[in-house]
Amino acid sequence: AQSVTQLGSHVSVSEGALVLLRCNYSSSVPPYLFWYVQYPNQGLQLLLKYTSAATLVKGINGFEAEFKKSETSFHLTKPSAHMSDAAEYFCAVTRSGGYQKVTFGTGTKLQVIP
Amino acid sequence: DAGVIQSPRHEVTEMGQEVTLRCKPISGHDYLFWYRQTMMRGLELLIYFNNNVPIDDSGMPEDRFSAKMPNASFSTLKIQPSEPRDSAVYFCASSGSGTPEGNTIYFGEGSWLTVV
Repeated sequence: AQSVTQLGSHVSVSEGALVLLRCNYSSSVPPYLFWYVQYPNQGLQLLLKYTSAATLVKGINGFEAEFKKSETSFHLTKPSAHMSDAAEYFCAVTRSGGYQKVTFGTGTKLQVIP
Repeated sequence: DAGVIQSPRHEVTEMGQEVTLRCKPISGHDYLFWYRQTMMRGLELLIYFNNNVPIDDSGMPEDRFSAKMPNASFSTLKIQPSEPRDSAVYFCASSGSGTPEGNTIYFGEGSWLTVV
C-alpha cells in the first residue's frame, strides 16, 4: 500500500519568505509523486509531478519539489511567497504501470501574511 | 482542451430530494473518477470508471449513491434520497492511460452540494 503524510495542516509565512511544505511518502515500489493546489472554491490543479526522471521538478508559479529517495520525501518549495500563493496544497502518490490508485494527503493550508 | 466540466457548480436542495451531478471528462481520457471533499474526511474517492465500466465503487458511502457512465463523454453521480450529511464538494476527475500525462489526474471545478 502507498501513502503520503503531509506535516502541518496549516503553514503561515510572510510575503517574500521561503515556502516549505513537507510531504513524506511510503511506497514499496518506485513512486510517482504529485503536488496539487486548490484555491478557494476551486478544484485541484496540478502544480508539478515526479515520474522518475529528474529528481528536482519545477512546476507552475515558481514552485519546485525535490524527490529524495533516502528520506522518502517530496517537499514543495518556493523561494519567495506571494499573496496569491495562499491556498491548500495536496501531495499525492501513485506508481507507474497503467492506472494505479492515487492516494492523496490530507492537505496543507498555506497562509501568506502581508 | 476545456478540461473536466461539471454541473451544476452549486446546488441547494431539501432533504429527501434526488440530486444528480454531471460530468464531462477530458476528451480521450479513459479513466473517470468521482471524489467527495469535506472538512471532516478530506478528499475521498467514491468510484472510478475505466472505458465507461465501473471498476471500484468501494468508496460509495451507501446505496443512496449511484454513478453511471453511459458513454465516454458523460457521467452522473446521483444521490437519492439526499440527506444533510451529504453536503460536500463533489469533484469529477479524469486521466488518460494512453496519453503522455499517464497517471496524472485532472479535476473539474467541483459541484458544491448543500442539503438542508
